[in-house]
Parts: sequence; structure tokens; C-alpha cells
Amino acid sequence: GENVEQHPSTLSVQEGDSAVIKCTYSDSASNYFPWYKQELGKGPQLIIDIRSNVGEKKDQRIAVTLNKTAKHFSLHITETQPEDSAVYFCAASRGLMDTDKLIFGTGTRLQVFP
Amino acid sequence: GAVVSQHPSWVICKSGTSVKIECRSLDFQATTMFWYRQFPKQSLMLMATSNEGSKATYEQGVEKDKFLINHASLTLSTLTVTSAHPEDSSFYICSARWTENSPLHFGNGTRLTVT
Repeated sequence: GENVEQHPSTLSVQEGDSAVIKCTYSDSASNYFPWYKQELGKGPQLIIDIRSNVGEKKDQRIAVTLNKTAKHFSLHITETQPEDSAVYFCAASRGLMDTDKLIFGTGTRLQVFP
Repeated sequence: GAVVSQHPSWVICKSGTSVKIECRSLDFQATTMFWYRQFPKQSLMLMATSNEGSKATYEQGVEKDKFLINHASLTLSTLTVTSAHPEDSSFYICSARWTENSPLHFGNGTRLTVT
């Protein structure tokens, strides 16, 4: 089955700096990769997702890159702000229609210091 | 945007009692909802897939008789933790998708504490 590894487990950055979180997956059939942000005591919130037919996707300060050959994908947050502090989870599945098999990474706790 | 509402947000119950958690899709119909469990500082683990009008599909290792799932309508799925024990204390989160090819959206979770 699919296995998703996520690094680093914790990340501290200064406000305004960039943050990068990396994930690798094992199932070459996976083709849908969402990223979720989870604040304390709340459920995960989808922040960006990418399909395997795209190498990069950007939404304002957030971008995701995908390398299918290497089976890894990354989340990039630029110009970080204190409100970006949260736990971020990557996930992978074989497709949007197969989201019941969404496998999550272990999470990255991001702290942005003012 | 799609909104998934979960209730209650937290509950404390005594060992041996049962607790029901509701998950509602507020502005869309969800034929499929998903229930996850999350331990402190850990990732989300899929427990079961809830299908409207049919039996839930449980992941390996999840006791279907302990975690009863009912998906009675297109907007409501319930998870009942029966005969709860302290080891059932956890954060339970539901999710749903708007259409078959739309992303998963999560509720805000229910923190269950069994004393």
C-alpha cells in the first residue's frame, strides 16, 4: 500500500522567510496530492492540491511542486506570517475519485516567529 | 465553499457509556463521508468510509461493532463509539467531498475524553 513520508517534523522560521516541507510517496499509481493545514483543536483545512499531470501549482504565497519520477512533492510558503503557524499534512491518493484512500504524512509543525 | 459541520466539538463521557458524533455537510450533498481518528501530535488515520444508504466500509483493525457508523441521509453521517474506554479517547474527524471529483473537506473534529 501507499506510504507517505514527510519532513521535517518541525520547522521554525522568521517572519518573512520561506518555508519548505517535503513529502515522498511509494505508490507510483498515486496521482492526487493535497496539502492540509491544521490549527490547534481544529480539523484540517485544504490549502492547495495538485494532480500528477501538473508539475507545479501556485496560489498566492503557497506553491506545490511535484516530481513524479522521484515520487516526491513539496509545499513552499513564501513571505511567511505568524498566522501560518500550524501543522501541515501532505497526503496522496490514486485520484480524486479515490479519496477514501487518502494517505496522510506524519505532519510538520511550522512555527513562524515575528 | 463546501462546509462540513461536526458536533459536538468536545465530549467527556464515563467508561462504558456510548457517545454519538454527528457530521453534516451544510451546503452540499455527500454520498460518501469519511471518519478519521487522530492521536495527539500524530497523523490522521482513516477509520471507515460511510456510504449513504449502505453499510460503512471499515479499515483493517477498526472494530465495526465498537464504532458504529450510520449514513442515513445525503447530509448526515454519525459515528457512535459504543462502550467507550479510556483508550478510545482521541480526536475524531469527519470529512466529505462535494462531488466525486472534488477535494475532501474536513469538519472541525470532536475531542472525546473517556474517564
